[in-house]
Amino acid sequence: DAGVTQSPTHLIKTRGQQVTLRCSPKSGHDTVSWYQQALGQGPQFIFQYYEEEERQRGNFPDRFSGHQFPNYSSELNVNALLLGDSALYLCASSLEGLMIYEQYFGPGTRLTVT
Amino acid sequence: QKEVEQDPGPLSVPEGAIVSLNCTYSNSAFQYFMWYRQYSRKGPELLMYTYSSGNKEDGRFTAQVDKSSKYISLFIRDSQPSDSATYLCAPDSYSGAGSYQLTFGKGTKLSVIP
Repeated sequence: DAGVTQSPTHLIKTRGQQVTLRCSPKSGHDTVSWYQQALGQGPQFIFQYYEEEERQRGNFPDRFSGHQFPNYSSELNVNALLLGDSALYLCASSLEGLMIYEQYFGPGTRLTVT
Repeated sequence: QKEVEQDPGPLSVPEGAIVSLNCTYSNSAFQYFMWYRQYSRKGPELLMYTYSSGNKEDGRFTAQVDKSSKYISLFIRDSQPSDSATYLCAPDSYSGAGSYQLTFGKGTKLSVIP
């Protein structure tokens, strides 16, 4: 049973560019959350997708957007990249109705903005 | 004041030592208290969780919550080099229905020296 997978593993982009990160949830899961983890910091919640809709959002600008597909996989898009967007982007999946601690994280995508 | 405060360390201990990791929080509505372990270049994985105040033991690990002082602790007995990782606390007020987001502490980086 594959866990949460994310692609790509690493990515280098230039300031002002746009980036798309991808996440496949754990088999059987229908909810996907995205987190940003800057170096030396804990993960910060970006948003959560359920039934192909964004249902909760953290304190991130509109440059951060997402999408969830019918197969529950998800994308995170970041426009007009800033140097401060350099971070590890984590995807976490869960199943609606399960407890908050029954959430599984992927290995993350490390984004470097130069 | 941030919702969750955690000393980022780093903390370096000899193998076999007892390790104490701590967090404080400000939101009195928190009732679930999770500890995540994150190895270098990996996503966080749930280590333990407790509900409300009290202690919970799992092998060499003990989680302790004091809601009166809003203080969370994780103790590791007989620490091993394989315990070297970053430990993240994540308290939450999740009610068991609807959307949620985890709020993490900064994480404490632990190194156990053989």
